[in-house]
Amino acid sequence: NAGVTQTPKFQVLKTGQSMTLQCAQDMNHEYMSWYRQDPGMGLRLIHYSVGAGITDQGEVPNGYNVSRSTTEDFPLRLLSAAPSQTSVYFCASRLGPWETQYFGPGTRLLVL
Amino acid sequence: AQSVTQLDSQVPVFEEAPVELRCNYSSSVSVYLFWYVQYPNQGLQLLLKYLSGSTLVKGINGFEAEFNKSQTSFHLRKPSVHISDTAEYFCAVSDSGGSNYKLTFGKGTLLTVNP
Repeated sequence: NAGVTQTPKFQVLKTGQSMTLQCAQDMNHEYMSWYRQDPGMGLRLIHYSVGAGITDQGEVPNGYNVSRSTTEDFPLRLLSAAPSQTSVYFCASRLGPWETQYFGPGTRLLVL
Repeated sequence: AQSVTQLDSQVPVFEEAPVELRCNYSSSVSVYLFWYVQYPNQGLQLLLKYLSGSTLVKGINGFEAEFNKSQTSFHLRKPSVHISDTAEYFCAVSDSGGSNYKLTFGKGTLLTVNP
C-alpha cells in the first residue's frame, strides 16, 4: 500500500492564481480530511469528507473548495491564492472516528 | 463543539529525564483521544489512542497517557526520554458518537531533548 499520497510536494504561486492540491489513498478509507499547519497554530481543519459525494467545512474553509467523486481521491482547490494561504497542507484519511488517521507527506505552498 | 488545549508550547528536557506533555479537552459527548508525533519535515504518525476501557494507554516508543474524565485531561508521559524523541507532539479529540466526524488537534508541544 502506498498509503496517503500528495502532489505536489512544493509549489510557488502568485497572488490570484488557482491550483489544485492532489490527495489519494489506497486503503479504502471513507473519512478524508485536509489540514493546514502554520507555526504556533497546530493543524487546522479546512474541509473533510465522510464518503464519496459527501463533504463538509472544517474550521478554516474560506478560499478552498473540495470534491469527493471517488473513495480514493480528495483534491483541494485554491480558487484565487492569497499570501495568507502560504502554509503546509496535509491530507489525511481514516477508516472511522475511532481509527488511526494516516497523514500524507504534506505540500509546502508559498503564495507571493 | 470539541476543543483541545495543550498547555505547553515548548518543553525542554535533558536526556534520560522524565517528561509529561499536558493536554486538556472539552466536549459535550464522550470522546476518543489521540496523541500524534511529528518529526522534523515529516507528516504526523500515531503514538497512542484512548477509545474505552483502561484509562492508562501505552503507545509506541515507551510513551503512555492517562485519560482522566473528571479533569478532562489526557496527559502524555515518558519515564526516560532520548535525543530521538525530539519532535512536536499533538493531542487530538474525536467525538465518539453523533454526526461530528471531525478530528480536532491542539496547537502542539515542541519537545526538545538536550544531551
